[in-house]
Amino acid sequence: SAVISQKPSRDICQRGTSLTIQCQVDSQVTMMFWYRQQPGQSLTLIATANQGSEATYESGFVIDKFPISRPNLTFSTLTVSNMSPEDSSIYLCSVEAGTGQADSYEQYFGPGTRLTVT
Amino acid sequence: GEDVEQSLFLSVREGDSSVINCTYTDSSSTYLYWYKQEPGAGLQLLTYIFSNMDMKQDQRLTVLLNKKDKHLSLRIADTQTGDSAIYFCAERSWMDSSYKLIFGSGTRLLVRP
Repeated sequence: SAVISQKPSRDICQRGTSLTIQCQVDSQVTMMFWYRQQPGQSLTLIATANQGSEATYESGFVIDKFPISRPNLTFSTLTVSNMSPEDSSIYLCSVEAGTGQADSYEQYFGPGTRLTVT
Repeated sequence: GEDVEQSLFLSVREGDSSVINCTYTDSSSTYLYWYKQEPGAGLQLLTYIFSNMDMKQDQRLTVLLNKKDKHLSLRIADTQTGDSAIYFCAERSWMDSSYKLIFGSGTRLLVRP
Protein backbone atom coordinates (compact mmCIF):
# COMPACT_ATOMS: atom_id res chain seq x y z
CA SER A 1 0.00 0.00 0.00
CA ALA A 2 0.98 3.67 -0.08
CA VAL A 3 0.30 6.45 2.41
CA ILE A 4 -0.26 9.85 0.83
CA SER A 5 -0.40 13.24 2.50
CA GLN A 6 -1.50 16.53 0.99
CA LYS A 7 -0.99 20.14 2.02
CA PRO A 8 -2.99 22.22 2.59
CA SER A 9 -6.01 20.19 3.61
CA ARG A 10 -8.27 23.12 2.78
CA ASP A 11 -8.00 26.76 1.76
CA ILE A 12 -10.18 29.71 0.90
CA CYS A 13 -8.67 31.87 -1.83
CA GLN A 14 -9.59 35.03 -3.67
CA ARG A 15 -10.24 34.96 -7.37
CA GLY A 16 -7.24 35.78 -9.51
CA THR A 17 -4.74 34.25 -7.09
CA SER A 18 -2.90 30.92 -7.33
CA LEU A 19 -2.58 28.00 -4.91
CA THR A 20 0.04 25.27 -4.91
CA ILE A 21 -0.98 21.90 -3.48
CA GLN A 22 1.69 19.50 -2.29
CA CYS A 23 1.51 15.71 -2.39
CA GLN A 24 3.93 13.49 -0.48
CA VAL A 25 4.05 9.68 -0.69
CA ASP A 26 5.73 7.37 1.82
CA SER A 27 7.32 5.21 -0.90
CA GLN A 28 8.81 5.70 -4.35
CA VAL A 29 6.23 5.49 -7.11
CA THR A 30 6.49 5.94 -10.85
CA MET A 31 3.04 7.22 -11.65
CA MET A 32 1.26 10.00 -9.81
CA PHE A 33 -2.08 11.44 -10.77
CA TRP A 34 -4.04 14.59 -9.97
CA TYR A 35 -7.83 14.50 -9.88
CA ARG A 36 -10.55 17.07 -9.35
CA GLN A 37 -13.83 16.35 -7.60
CA GLN A 38 -16.36 19.12 -8.01
CA PRO A 39 -19.09 19.42 -5.37
CA GLY A 40 -21.34 16.37 -5.41
CA GLN A 41 -19.60 14.95 -8.45
CA SER A 42 -17.36 12.04 -9.32
CA LEU A 43 -13.62 12.26 -9.96
CA THR A 44 -12.11 13.72 -13.10
CA LEU A 45 -8.47 13.10 -14.01
CA ILE A 46 -6.54 16.34 -14.54
CA ALA A 47 -3.12 14.96 -15.44
CA THR A 48 -0.61 12.17 -15.01
CA ALA A 49 2.80 13.12 -13.63
CA ASN A 50 5.79 10.81 -14.12
CA GLN A 51 9.15 11.71 -12.64
CA GLY A 52 11.58 13.11 -15.19
CA SER A 53 9.02 13.95 -17.84
CA GLU A 54 6.38 16.54 -18.60
CA ALA A 55 2.96 15.92 -17.14
CA THR A 56 0.32 14.59 -19.51
CA TYR A 57 -2.94 16.55 -19.35
CA GLU A 58 -6.44 15.29 -20.04
CA SER A 59 -8.80 16.96 -22.43
CA GLY A 60 -10.09 20.20 -20.96
CA PHE A 61 -7.05 20.81 -18.73
CA VAL A 62 -3.99 22.85 -19.73
CA ILE A 63 -0.54 23.37 -18.29
CA ASP A 64 -0.92 27.14 -17.99
CA LYS A 65 -3.90 26.71 -15.68
CA PHE A 66 -2.68 23.63 -13.77
CA PRO A 67 1.13 23.51 -13.81
CA ILE A 68 2.53 20.36 -12.20
CA SER A 69 5.96 19.57 -10.85
CA ARG A 70 7.36 16.08 -10.16
CA PRO A 71 10.90 16.59 -8.86
CA ASN A 72 11.36 13.06 -7.46
CA LEU A 73 9.65 9.72 -6.95
CA THR A 74 7.85 10.68 -3.71
CA PHE A 75 6.64 14.24 -4.29
CA SER A 76 4.53 16.32 -6.65
CA THR A 77 2.81 19.70 -6.70
CA LEU A 78 -0.25 20.97 -8.53
CA THR A 79 -0.82 24.70 -8.91
CA VAL A 80 -4.26 26.08 -9.59
CA SER A 81 -3.56 29.39 -11.35
CA ASN A 82 -5.61 32.55 -11.74
CA MET A 83 -8.44 31.00 -9.79
CA SER A 84 -12.13 31.61 -10.32
CA PRO A 85 -15.12 30.35 -8.29
CA GLU A 86 -15.51 27.53 -10.85
CA ASP A 87 -12.22 26.10 -9.55
CA SER A 88 -13.82 25.42 -6.16
CA SER A 89 -13.36 21.66 -5.79
CA ILE A 90 -11.55 18.95 -3.94
CA TYR A 91 -8.17 18.22 -5.53
CA LEU A 92 -6.83 14.71 -4.94
CA CYS A 93 -3.41 13.26 -5.47
CA SER A 94 -3.21 9.58 -6.35
CA VAL A 95 -0.49 7.00 -6.94
CA GLU A 96 -0.41 3.61 -8.56
CA ALA A 97 1.45 0.96 -6.60
CA GLY A 98 2.13 -2.49 -7.92
CA THR A 99 1.73 -5.11 -5.24
CA GLY A 100 4.68 -7.18 -6.41
CA GLN A 101 2.37 -9.83 -7.76
CA ALA A 102 2.14 -10.18 -11.50
CA ASP A 103 -0.55 -8.03 -13.07
CA SER A 104 -1.70 -6.47 -9.82
CA TYR A 105 -2.13 -2.73 -9.49
CA GLU A 106 -3.62 -0.74 -6.64
CA GLN A 107 -4.32 2.96 -6.90
CA TYR A 108 -4.35 4.99 -3.69
CA PHE A 109 -5.63 8.47 -2.99
CA GLY A 110 -4.60 11.24 -0.67
CA PRO A 111 -7.05 12.91 1.71
CA GLY A 112 -7.68 15.74 -0.76
CA THR A 113 -7.37 19.52 -0.65
CA ARG A 114 -10.70 21.30 -0.36
CA LEU A 115 -10.44 24.60 -2.24
CA THR A 116 -13.00 27.38 -2.09
CA VAL A 117 -12.55 30.39 -4.35
CA THR A 118 -14.44 33.57 -3.45
CA GLY B 1 -15.51 7.06 -24.57
CA GLU B 2 -15.61 4.59 -21.75
CA ASP B 3 -18.43 4.92 -19.25
CA VAL B 4 -19.17 3.60 -15.78
CA GLU B 5 -22.66 3.87 -14.32
CA GLN B 6 -24.02 3.43 -10.82
CA SER B 7 -27.33 4.03 -9.10
CA LEU B 8 -27.19 7.21 -7.03
CA PHE B 9 -28.65 6.15 -3.71
CA LEU B 10 -29.21 3.10 -1.50
CA SER B 11 -30.80 2.96 1.94
CA VAL B 12 -30.63 -0.14 4.16
CA ARG B 13 -31.24 -1.01 7.80
CA GLU B 14 -28.37 -1.76 10.11
CA GLY B 15 -27.59 -5.47 10.07
CA ASP B 16 -29.01 -6.06 6.60
CA SER B 17 -26.88 -6.71 3.51
CA SER B 18 -26.21 -3.93 1.01
CA VAL B 19 -25.67 -4.52 -2.68
CA ILE B 20 -24.24 -1.72 -4.80
CA ASN B 21 -24.29 -2.23 -8.55
CA CYS B 22 -22.15 -0.88 -11.36
CA THR B 23 -22.04 -1.31 -15.13
CA TYR B 24 -19.09 -0.50 -17.36
CA THR B 25 -18.48 -0.39 -21.08
CA ASP B 26 -14.83 -1.33 -21.65
CA SER B 27 -14.77 -5.09 -22.21
CA SER B 28 -10.95 -5.05 -22.12
CA SER B 29 -10.76 -3.62 -18.58
CA THR B 30 -8.24 -5.61 -16.57
CA TYR B 31 -9.11 -4.37 -13.09
CA LEU B 32 -12.29 -3.11 -11.49
CA TYR B 33 -12.20 -1.27 -8.18
CA TRP B 34 -14.44 -0.23 -5.34
CA TYR B 35 -13.63 2.89 -3.33
CA LYS B 36 -15.33 4.35 -0.25
CA GLN B 37 -15.49 8.08 0.45
CA GLU B 38 -16.66 9.32 3.82
CA PRO B 39 -17.74 12.95 4.27
CA GLY B 40 -14.79 15.34 4.02
CA ALA B 41 -12.32 12.54 3.30
CA GLY B 42 -10.37 11.17 0.35
CA LEU B 43 -11.01 7.84 -1.34
CA GLN B 44 -10.27 4.62 0.47
CA LEU B 45 -9.51 1.58 -1.69
CA LEU B 46 -11.85 -1.14 -0.43
CA THR B 47 -11.19 -3.95 -2.83
CA TYR B 48 -10.61 -4.75 -6.48
CA ILE B 49 -11.03 -7.68 -8.79
CA PHE B 50 -9.00 -8.88 -11.74
CA SER B 51 -11.00 -9.51 -14.87
CA ASN B 52 -10.23 -13.24 -14.97
CA MET B 53 -12.09 -13.71 -11.66
CA ASP B 54 -15.84 -13.77 -11.13
CA MET B 55 -15.89 -13.42 -7.36
CA LYS B 56 -13.69 -12.08 -4.60
CA GLN B 57 -14.46 -12.13 -0.89
CA ASP B 58 -12.75 -10.07 1.78
CA GLN B 59 -14.32 -10.25 5.25
CA ARG B 60 -17.74 -8.54 4.96
CA LEU B 61 -17.19 -7.56 1.34
CA THR B 62 -18.03 -9.70 -1.68
CA VAL B 63 -17.38 -8.55 -5.22
CA LEU B 64 -19.15 -10.25 -8.11
CA LEU B 65 -18.10 -9.72 -11.71
CA ASN B 66 -20.20 -10.69 -14.72
CA LYS B 67 -17.97 -10.00 -17.70
CA LYS B 68 -20.58 -11.00 -20.24
CA ASP B 69 -22.98 -8.33 -18.98
CA LYS B 70 -20.18 -5.94 -17.89
CA HIS B 71 -21.74 -5.81 -14.45
CA LEU B 72 -19.94 -5.44 -11.14
CA SER B 73 -21.48 -5.54 -7.69
CA LEU B 74 -20.31 -4.97 -4.14
CA ARG B 75 -22.12 -6.76 -1.35
CA ILE B 76 -21.58 -5.59 2.23
CA ALA B 77 -22.76 -8.14 4.78
CA ASP B 78 -24.11 -7.06 8.19
CA THR B 79 -24.08 -3.40 7.19
CA GLN B 80 -23.16 -1.00 10.00
CA THR B 81 -23.81 2.73 10.45
CA GLY B 82 -20.09 3.28 9.86
CA ASP B 83 -20.57 1.95 6.34
CA SER B 84 -22.61 5.05 5.45
CA ALA B 85 -20.57 6.75 2.72
CA ILE B 86 -20.34 7.20 -1.03
CA TYR B 87 -19.09 4.14 -2.91
CA PHE B 88 -17.35 4.57 -6.26
CA CYS B 89 -16.88 1.87 -8.84
CA ALA B 90 -13.94 2.35 -11.26
CA GLU B 91 -12.48 0.48 -14.22
CA ARG B 92 -8.85 0.52 -15.31
CA SER B 93 -8.93 1.29 -19.02
CA TRP B 94 -6.29 1.75 -21.68
CA MET B 95 -6.93 5.19 -23.17
CA ASP B 96 -4.74 7.66 -25.03
CA SER B 97 -1.62 5.50 -24.68
CA SER B 98 -1.88 4.95 -20.94
CA TYR B 99 -3.94 3.26 -18.27
CA LYS B 100 -6.50 5.42 -16.51
CA LEU B 101 -9.17 4.89 -13.89
CA ILE B 102 -12.66 5.74 -15.09
CA PHE B 103 -15.01 6.40 -12.19
CA GLY B 104 -18.75 6.03 -11.82
CA SER B 105 -20.83 8.80 -10.34
CA GLY B 106 -20.89 7.15 -6.91
CA THR B 107 -23.65 5.49 -4.87
CA ARG B 108 -24.56 7.13 -1.60
CA LEU B 109 -25.25 4.42 1.00
CA LEU B 110 -27.33 5.40 4.00
CA VAL B 111 -27.53 2.91 6.86
CA ARG B 112 -30.53 3.44 9.14
CA PRO B 113 -30.24 2.37 12.78
